[in-house]
Amino acid sequence: AQSVTQLGSHVSVSEGALVLLRCNYSSSVPPYLFWYVQYPNQGLQLLLKYTTGATLVKGINGFEAEFKKSETSFHLTKPSAHMSDAAEYFCAVTDTGNQFYFGTGTSLTVIP
Amino acid sequence: DGGITQSPKYLFRKEGQNVTLSCEQNLNHDAMYWYRQDPGQGLRLIYYSQIVNDFQKGDIAEGYSVSREKKESFPLTVTSAQKNPTAFYLCASSIERGRNEQYFGPGTRLTVT
Repeated sequence: AQSVTQLGSHVSVSEGALVLLRCNYSSSVPPYLFWYVQYPNQGLQLLLKYTTGATLVKGINGFEAEFKKSETSFHLTKPSAHMSDAAEYFCAVTDTGNQFYFGTGTSLTVIP
Repeated sequence: DGGITQSPKYLFRKEGQNVTLSCEQNLNHDAMYWYRQDPGQGLRLIYYSQIVNDFQKGDIAEGYSVSREKKESFPLTVTSAQKNPTAFYLCASSIERGRNEQYFGPGTRLTVT
């Protein structure tokens, strides 16, 4: 069975500091992995995705994520946080494509 | 611009009433989805449709119904049988069902009192 665990429902960082949002998954076959961002009362926007190939994936707004099979992880990072990064972030996994499984989300607060 | 529209943004209903949430896409996507979002629970799949006139139940379909008469439209009806209908509802689409990324609409916040 597939599942996604996002460690830390709330993360706070100072403006300009490193952003690290954690995602671990379980999947019986090679997964496709996604990170989405959600601003208050809005839908989800795709930040980046991993399918096959290069394990370091770059996305929009300066975010990137690295697929580590041995650690079953797909953590999201950004070198320098901006106030506009404050939002909810969701990790999602699918293996066969029959269903996407979403994590419970991490709320990112950026402190000026 | 291509995208997904959901209307209305906010919806208020009295308990015992059925209510229909609209979802329209002009991305020419075959697959469409409805999710329910509650605080701290992530997204849970209600129904999905791979093609016109076909739809399948997701994990929490009880108390909901859908139709897919047109490729562009996938309305969701929240019936009076849904025990706890107050939530944020998100519609999504993908080019086809499978490992393709899903694109989301802006959501409808339903409050039932």
